[in-house]
Amino acid sequence: GAVVSQHPSWVICKSGTSVKIECRSLDFQATTMFWYRQFPKQSLMLMATSNEGSKATYEQGVEKDKFLINHASLTLSTLTVTSAHPEDSSFYICSARGKAGVRDEQFFGPGTRLTVL
Amino acid sequence: AQSVTQPDIHITVSEGASLELRCNYSYGATPYLFWYVQSPGQGLQLLLKYFSGDTLVQGIKGFEAEFKRSQSSFNLRKPSVHWSDAAEYFCAVGRAPGITGGGNKLTFGTGTQLKVEL
Repeated sequence: GAVVSQHPSWVICKSGTSVKIECRSLDFQATTMFWYRQFPKQSLMLMATSNEGSKATYEQGVEKDKFLINHASLTLSTLTVTSAHPEDSSFYICSARGKAGVRDEQFFGPGTRLTVL
Repeated sequence: AQSVTQPDIHITVSEGASLELRCNYSYGATPYLFWYVQSPGQGLQLLLKYFSGDTLVQGIKGFEAEFKRSQSSFNLRKPSVHWSDAAEYFCAVGRAPGITGGGNKLTFGTGTQLKVEL
């Protein structure tokens, strides 16, 4: 149980285009989802936290107009990288957390490798 | 503010040797501590976690970790390393479960790259 999927697993796009990444909790309801960014050989940096039905909370330094997050249901959150540029190339990982006391820890997706040409 | 320090960026051990990966944390409340492993190009897999109870916790793949409050440490150990253990290991700290308020963000250490020599 507690499986989180991400789609696509990798994507290559041209500079200036937008890319959408999906994060799904397959067997539990995720009241909170988190989006992380990981540069090569570095740690995970939290980008934003989203709660179902409300606006995402972005970490300091993360452009909310650049990285659009939607958490429309208890099993799906999406991250859209708008007008992507080569510096947005990275490994994006989502995680999902259930209700307090139920699936209380974060479960991580397998990640999405974004390459912007 | 919460923080995690993994002082060893790289560690190399021989297959069959014992392993200890260090983790020190700073957290203003009851911590919820985790160790994750990441293989190249993959997501994170939870090895073990600690919130309360026995300070020596057992995880998957033969790993264990010991919580030492006095030292603010949560070091990961394995008695005999296998070549397949070569990966990146991350220690993380968050708010203890059941504590209300904001999101339960995790703060990760910078990771320790483990290389296993055959």
